Amino acid sequence: SQQGEEDPQALSIQEGENATMNCSYKTSINNLQWYRQNSGRGLVHLILIRSNEREKHSGRLRVTLDTSKKSSSLLITASRAADTASYFCATDAGSGGSNYKLTFGKGTLLTVNP
Amino acid sequence: NAGVMQNPRHLVRRRGQEARLRCSPMKGHSHVYWYRQLPEEGLKFMVYLQKENIIDESGMPKERFSAEFPKEGPSILRIQQVVRGDSAAYFCASSLTGVGANVLTFGAGSRLTVL
Repeated sequence: SQQGEEDPQALSIQEGENATMNCSYKTSINNLQWYRQNSGRGLVHLILIRSNEREKHSGRLRVTLDTSKKSSSLLITASRAADTASYFCATDAGSGGSNYKLTFGKGTLLTVNP
Repeated sequence: NAGVMQNPRHLVRRRGQEARLRCSPMKGHSHVYWYRQLPEEGLKFMVYLQKENIIDESGMPKERFSAEFPKEGPSILRIQQVVRGDSAAYFCASSLTGVGANVLTFGAGSRLTVL
């Protein structure tokens, strides 16, 4: 069964605005990660949040995790044209499962217009 | 540190041919993963290998697909008798450990087109 499911599927904003992407998942997790993929390239790890954490920051990125709702959000503040990419959440299998196997959603395509 | 290196970056095959995709993990990483990405889709887990061992191949089709990570040399994902449905981007990733907070370092991918 599919774990991470991002929404919106696509988001278009102006440079300087904030971008918020959401991810929902179905089963328990140990960790949730966000990755970024530029067109035609591999994925780059952005941030990992553990199941016992509620919020985490890294530069212009802010991630929240609500395990009761099985959801996470990624906020990019003061966006730049270079932030244009697809963003994926990835979850592991949680307690009793294989935490090396990440399940990815379909991603949110973010376009930041100059 | 060259990161995860994959080759070829693009591969075109006709139906029935074989495709071989290679992956050299990041220096110091002994855990290798292969994922497949179809257009407009997220990545789907295929197989997890350590040196000379297949740990989990539950995401890999039982027929025509095989993977190895020999003691020396890169990891190889092999697809025999390719069909059009095999057209996809195949990503290799590596990690320092296979447990705990498993952050993956991805290669740039190999894009297979089956004519």
